[in-house]
Amino acid sequence: AQSVTQLDSQVPVFEEAPVELRCNYSSSVSVYLFWYVQYPNQGLQLLLKYLSGSTLVESINGFEAEFNKSQTSFHLRKPSVHISDTAEYFCAVSPRVGNTPLVFGKGTRLSVIA
Amino acid sequence: DTGVSQDPRHKITKRGQNVTFRCDPISEHNRLYWYRQTLGQGPEFLTYFQNEAQLEKSRLLSDRFSAERPKGSFSTLEIQRTEQGDSAMYLCASRTRQGSNTGELFFGEGSRLTVL
Repeated sequence: AQSVTQLDSQVPVFEEAPVELRCNYSSSVSVYLFWYVQYPNQGLQLLLKYLSGSTLVESINGFEAEFNKSQTSFHLRKPSVHISDTAEYFCAVSPRVGNTPLVFGKGTRLSVIA
Repeated sequence: DTGVSQDPRHKITKRGQNVTFRCDPISEHNRLYWYRQTLGQGPEFLTYFQNEAQLEKSRLLSDRFSAERPKGSFSTLEIQRTEQGDSAMYLCASRTRQGSNTGELFFGEGSRLTVL
């Protein structure tokens, strides 16, 4: 079975400051890793994912996440946040083999302050 | 709009009543998932379908919960004899079968249930 731990439930940060949202996972098998974002009053949408290859993956809006196998982490970072980044961010994991659905963490609410 | 749609968006009901939620996935997606999200928690998997076949239902929270996808298109999630603890957001998601677990899940906006 897989599990995901998001260490921070809320992260307030000033506009244009950097941010890191932490995610650690637990699994006995190899996994794929995902970050989903939920903007206010909207459904969850995929932000970025790690499948294979380079351990650093990027989104189109400036976020990046790095897969660290030894630390079983997939932290999300952005060097300079905008007000529009205010949302809830969910880390998720699925096994590479089999059909087990995505397992999500509890989420981190990012609040960007002007 | 060709995204995942859910209906109703909000439902308020009295304890003991039955409720049904509908999900219309993206038309070419053959996999459909139901999740539940409570306040302060991430989405919790309930069940999923590949076409009309329900491939996993052991995570449904109790025998009061049931789901169907009779023609492999839209799906319904029914909760019988609702309890206050059923109050939550019920999320539907879909994706293609291609790529197995690498594929992106597309979520609807959810159906919020309040049980009084």
